[in-house]
Amino acid sequence: EVQLVQSAAEVKKPGESLTISCKASGYTFGSYWIGWVRQKPGKGLEWMGIIYPGDSDTRYSPSFQDQVTISADTSVTTAYLQWDTLQASDTAIYYCARHSGGFESWGQGTLVTVSS
Amino acid sequence: EIVLTQSPDTLSLSPGETATLSCRASQYFSSAFLAWHQYKPGQAPRLLIYGASTRATGVPDRFSGSGSGTEFTLTISGLEPEDSAVYFCQHYADSITFGGGTKVEMK
Repeated sequence: EVQLVQSAAEVKKPGESLTISCKASGYTFGSYWIGWVRQKPGKGLEWMGIIYPGDSDTRYSPSFQDQVTISADTSVTTAYLQWDTLQASDTAIYYCARHSGGFESWGQGTLVTVSS
Repeated sequence: EIVLTQSPDTLSLSPGETATLSCRASQYFSSAFLAWHQYKPGQAPRLLIYGASTRATGVPDRFSGSGSGTEFTLTISGLEPEDSAVYFCQHYADSITFGGGTKVEMK
C-alpha cells in the first residue's frame, strides 16, 4: 500500500527557516514524481513544484520558484520542502502527493503557521 | 500556463440528485492529463478520476468524468450525504494547475 506520511505541524516566526518532510513507503520511491501543494486557509489548491527522486529532476511553479526548495533523499525515501525565510503569508497546509496520472496518493498534510 | 475555471462555485442539492461540475481550460490539452479530486476539510485530498474519465481504484461508479479539449465535466449520480466536499480539477500535461474548486453541499 502506498503511504505518504508528513511531518507534524509547525509554528514559526517570520524570518525563520523551516523544512517539512514527506516519508514514502509501499513503492519504489525513486520511480515516481512527488509534488507539493499549498492550501491557504479557505482557499483552493496551488501546485508548488515536483521532484523525481530517481535523478532529483525538479520543476517549480513560476509562483514558487526561488521561494522554496524541494529535495529528496532516496536513502530514507523522503521528500522535503524547505523555506529559508518564512513570511506570515506562508501560513497554510502543505500536502505532498505522488504523481502518476494526476496526484494519485496524498499525504495527510502539514499545517505551517507563521506568526510573530 | 493553463488556467482552469470551475463552475459553479457551489452546488446545493438533495441526496439522490445528480451533480454536474464543470472545468473549463484556457487552452486545449489532451484529456489524458485531466484529473478530479475530492477534498474534505481535515482530510487529505482523494483522487477520483484521471485521464478525464477513468475512475481511480475504489471510487464508486456514481462518479464519472467526461470531456475533451477545453471542457471537462464531473458527474455525481445519485448523491450520497458523504459526497459533501469540494471538488477540484487538475491538469498535468506540460505543467500542473488546479481549478478553483466547486463545493457540493447537501440540502
